[in-house]
Amino acid sequence: NAGVTQTPKFQVLKTGQSMTLQCAQDMNHNSMYWYRQDPGMGLRLIYYSASEGTTDKGEVPNGYNVSRLNKREFSLRLESAAPSQTSVYFCASSAGLVAKNIQYFGAGTRLSVL
Amino acid sequence: KNEVEQSPQNLTAQEGEFITINCSYSVGISALHWLQQHPGGGIVSLFMLSSGKKKHGRLIATINIQEKHSSLHITASHPRDSAVYICANGGSQGNLIFGKGTKLSVKP
Repeated sequence: NAGVTQTPKFQVLKTGQSMTLQCAQDMNHNSMYWYRQDPGMGLRLIYYSASEGTTDKGEVPNGYNVSRLNKREFSLRLESAAPSQTSVYFCASSAGLVAKNIQYFGAGTRLSVL
Repeated sequence: KNEVEQSPQNLTAQEGEFITINCSYSVGISALHWLQQHPGGGIVSLFMLSSGKKKHGRLIATINIQEKHSSLHITASHPRDSAVYICANGGSQGNLIFGKGTKLSVKP
C-alpha cells in the first residue's frame, strides 16, 4: 500500500522552463491538495481538488496550474518557472474535505529554480 | 482572518522530560489537526480533534474550544521524538490553515 506517491523527489530548473509534478494516491480518496513549504512559513495551499472533476485555487495559485486526471492522480504544472517558486512541494489526499478528515502526505518534491 | 499561532518556535529538551507545545487559533473550528514532520521531511498526521482529549502512546492532544487553544504533550520524551510539530485549523474552503511549526530537539 503506497499511500501518496509524488514524482520527482528532486528537480532543478532554469528560469522559464516548465515542468509537471505528478501525484497519485491509492486510498480511493476524493480530495487532493498541492502545498508549498518555504523556510519560516507554514504549509500554504496552492490548489486543491475536492472531488474528481473539480479544482479550486488555494492561497498561492499564481504561476501554477493543476489537472485532476482521474480520482487517483492530481498533477501540478509550472508553465514558466521563476526563482520565487523554489520550494518544497507536497501533495496530500483525504477521504473528504480536510477540515474534517485526516490528511495523508506524499514525501515531497524539492524544487530549485535557478 | 483564520490564523494559527504556535509556541514555542523552537524547543530543546532532555530525554525523559515532559513536553508541551501550544497552538492558538482565531476562528472557530470543525477540527484541529496536529501533524509531525520528520527530519527527512515526511509529514504524518498525529491527531484530529474537535473536543476534549486524545491519546496515542506517549502523545496527548487537548483542545479548549472556548479559549481557541490546543496543546500537544509528549510524556517521557525520547530523541526519536525530535521533529517539527505542526498544528492546523480548518479554513473557510474546507482546507487547512497551518501554523509555522515548533521544532523539537530531544537530547540523550
